[in-house]
Amino acid sequence: NAGVMQNPRHLVRRRGQEARLRCSPMKGHSHVYWYRQLPEEGLKFMVYLQKENIIDESGMPKERFSAEFPKEGPSILRIQQVVRGDSAAYFCASSPPGLAGSYNEQFFGPGTRLTVL
Amino acid sequence: DQQVKQNSPSLSVQEGRISILNCDYTNSMFDYFLWYKKYPAEGPTFLISISSIKDKNEDGRFTVFLNKSAKHLSLHIVPSQPGDSAVYFCAAQLKYGNKLVFGAGTILRVKS
Repeated sequence: NAGVMQNPRHLVRRRGQEARLRCSPMKGHSHVYWYRQLPEEGLKFMVYLQKENIIDESGMPKERFSAEFPKEGPSILRIQQVVRGDSAAYFCASSPPGLAGSYNEQFFGPGTRLTVL
Repeated sequence: DQQVKQNSPSLSVQEGRISILNCDYTNSMFDYFLWYKKYPAEGPTFLISISSIKDKNEDGRFTVFLNKSAKHLSLHIVPSQPGDSAVYFCAAQLKYGNKLVFGAGTILRVKS
């Protein structure tokens, strides 16, 4: 059973370009989370999605960032008009569907390291 | 607003001794706490967790202690091994919440 897959592992963009980060959750997992880790900091929650629905986007910057988890295919985190401050490691995690109020372990992918020149 | 704090950026321990990693939190609504281990260029890996209704959870060499009145938890690794050298993140979750709130991490170095 493959783990959470993220690609690309490394992405270099120039200021003003678009960055697309992909995440394929573990088999059977319908919940996807995106986190960002800036240098010397912990992971910060960005967005929580289920298939075709954004459940919680309280950690997403209001502009330039968007996320989707379509019915078919991977989850996509899209950053438009990237700036140097977007340089970070972006981690995706997935969890299985669970009972309301229960805790489901989040399994993390290896991350995408975005560098903005 | 740092709701989860790991005040020690790094810790160095001799092989075979105990490693104690600490974590403090400010939000009394947190209901579930987790420790993740992370190697360079990899994603975090779940290590151990504890519910707020407990004060201790043990799994092999790893034990997590929770002191709710002090809003403090700690991870004990006994005995420490060189392979334990990694960054350890403390994380917390609200009841009925899904997102994890992470601390900044502690770099553990176990010397042989």
